[in-house]
Amino acid sequence: NAGVTQTPKFQVLKTGQSMTLQCAQDMNHEYMSWYRQDPGMGLRLIHYSVGAGITDQGEVPNGYNVSRSTTEDFPLRLLSAAPSQTSVYFCASRTAPGTDTQYFGPGTRLTVL
Amino acid sequence: AQKITQTQPGMFVQEKEAVTLDCTYDTSDPSYGLFWYKQPSSGEMIFLIYQGSYDQQNATEGRYSLNFQKARKSANLVISASQLGDSAMYFCAMREWNQFYFGTGTSLTVIP
Repeated sequence: NAGVTQTPKFQVLKTGQSMTLQCAQDMNHEYMSWYRQDPGMGLRLIHYSVGAGITDQGEVPNGYNVSRSTTEDFPLRLLSAAPSQTSVYFCASRTAPGTDTQYFGPGTRLTVL
Repeated sequence: AQKITQTQPGMFVQEKEAVTLDCTYDTSDPSYGLFWYKQPSSGEMIFLIYQGSYDQQNATEGRYSLNFQKARKSANLVISASQLGDSAMYFCAMREWNQFYFGTGTSLTVIP
């Protein structure tokens, strides 16, 4: 099992550009989520999904879109990048609501100039 | 109000000694979960230990134990026999309903 994979590892964007951060898991987990980590802030939940076709907003959803067409994949889209979105982004998955251990991907470091 | 509060930005411990990292939480969900994660300088998030709100006994995983005091809403992490490799950021987290909340972390340095 590869666990949770994220691509790319690093990305530099210009303000206004769009991009998609990829996240995939091969553990057949129903629940997937996206976080951002800023210095001194800990991790904050952006969006999450409890299964294919179902997504919901977390604590800081503005500026980000998600979709979940398959169990394996949960991409995060930045439609018009802003410098405030400079952060480290983590994807995570867990088996289902009620089983709590989350497994994290290695992270994507995004810089918006 | 903050969902998770970690009041110790930095801690130092002598190698082979025990250390307690503090965490308090706030929730109205009767069925919540509490976690601790370790983040070394390489950046990955490593799951350490989990405590469910209905668990009667404190969770333990090797050298890690979670001191769960439900009435005080605290979930402190105890690391026994500290090792140099324990130097890292430690995050307390809580699952409330379907959302997870993380504290701001404690930086632990183990001194030889």
